[in-house]
Amino acid sequence: EVQLLESGGGLVQPGGSLRLSCAASGFTFSNYAMSWVRRAPGKGLECVSGIFGSGRTFYADSVKGRFTISRDNSKETLYLQMNSLGSEDTAVYYCAKGMGQGQFVELDYWGQGVLVTVSS
Amino acid sequence: QSVLTQPPSVSAAPGQKVTISCSGSSSNIGSNYVSWFQQLPGTAPRLLIYENNKRPSGIPDRFSGSKSGTSATLGITGLQPGDEADYYCGTWDGSRMLFGGGTTLTVL
Repeated sequence: EVQLLESGGGLVQPGGSLRLSCAASGFTFSNYAMSWVRRAPGKGLECVSGIFGSGRTFYADSVKGRFTISRDNSKETLYLQMNSLGSEDTAVYYCAKGMGQGQFVELDYWGQGVLVTVSS
Repeated sequence: QSVLTQPPSVSAAPGQKVTISCSGSSSNIGSNYVSWFQQLPGTAPRLLIYENNKRPSGIPDRFSGSKSGTSATLGITGLQPGDEADYYCGTWDGSRMLFGGGTTLTVL
């Protein structure tokens, strides 16, 4: 059974940093693209970053230069390092699995989400 | 303002059919597959449709997808109260994954 378990969320002050983790199980992690998707209060879904099975990455313009996605295939874990956080980054962050190595549109499994609140 | 345009809301009575549109451009929908996602209140999104019109296992055939040119459509027949949710289209745009702005479905 595929499982994605996010952790690392919480309350952080503006300008601060946070690292999210997503522990994966039930599939061969290295063979699949992975993404971080967020939903801010009152807003829709936004794909903030994705990483191919090969390690190539992409970022939404809204987080480029501030967020870094990475993966440790040996630990079957996905990460999102978030720096210079602002109130606009307050959201529930979801880890999601693609259907293949380079498939980011076909997100077939999702974690339960972790709340990140940026506030003083 | 999302690059992919969806109506903010749609509504229909139980048992009826509803369609949700997703309008894009040649650089996104026009040249890439479209997925559709359902997000029930308080839960994670769920994949309903991928590669324009395919359903993952476990998704009932009441849900259907289609694409024509730079637009895509999600259809839901036999509406049930449990279908009340936010629905999102998604596609690739050359270098990033995009979601539509989302459509809230109300089952009257």
